Amino acid sequence: QKEVEQNSGPLSVPEGAIASLNCTYSDRGSQSFFWYRQYSGKSPELIMSIYSNGDKEDGRFTAQLNKASQYVSLLIRDSQPSDSATYLCAVNIISNFGNEKLTFGTGTRLTIIP
Amino acid sequence: EPEVTQTPSHQVTQMGQEVILRCVPISNHLYFYWYRQILGQKVEFLVSFYNNEISEKSEIFDDQFSVERPDGSNFTLKIRSTKLEDSAMYFCASSGGRGNTGELFFGEGSRLTVL
Repeated sequence: QKEVEQNSGPLSVPEGAIASLNCTYSDRGSQSFFWYRQYSGKSPELIMSIYSNGDKEDGRFTAQLNKASQYVSLLIRDSQPSDSATYLCAVNIISNFGNEKLTFGTGTRLTIIP
Repeated sequence: EPEVTQTPSHQVTQMGQEVILRCVPISNHLYFYWYRQILGQKVEFLVSFYNNEISEKSEIFDDQFSVERPDGSNFTLKIRSTKLEDSAMYFCASSGGRGNTGELFFGEGSRLTVL
């Protein structure tokens, strides 16, 4: 079974600090990696995508990818109370039929403490 | 900004009844998806749809489920003979195509409650 693994948390971070979220995946053929944010009772909202090894920065968010280690992470700088949500790691897994399907981890619940 | 819209936002049904959940994907997108999320659990892939046919489906998507794109804008999920365990939030998503970023954009979801 090709899976996406995340620590479910909860992860508590003081306001203004850096929140670090981690994800591992099992399919070495995966090429596309995403972070979604999901507020309670709401739908997943795309916040970052990354396709190449290294770092990708967008505002306060930095995604990091290491394909050799099959590891994706998300850093949130200057954490704000509004960042409190569940963060979903999603990976395009190649199926046995050669199609991609976006597969989600269980999510990490992040709480920013004022 | 273009968005995926879903109706109804909440549907309550009796066990054994049929339900149809509707979605209007982003207009220039080519790939359409249904996901579900049982309360407190992860977002699970159900089915993907491209060029008027199913391109991939999960083991959850058995004969009880079907999808259809009846016209140029709507994308529907039909659940026949609903069971208690079908109670979940159902999300529709769309994306621009294989050659692009593969980013999926989700609708607000349809909450299905089976009694």
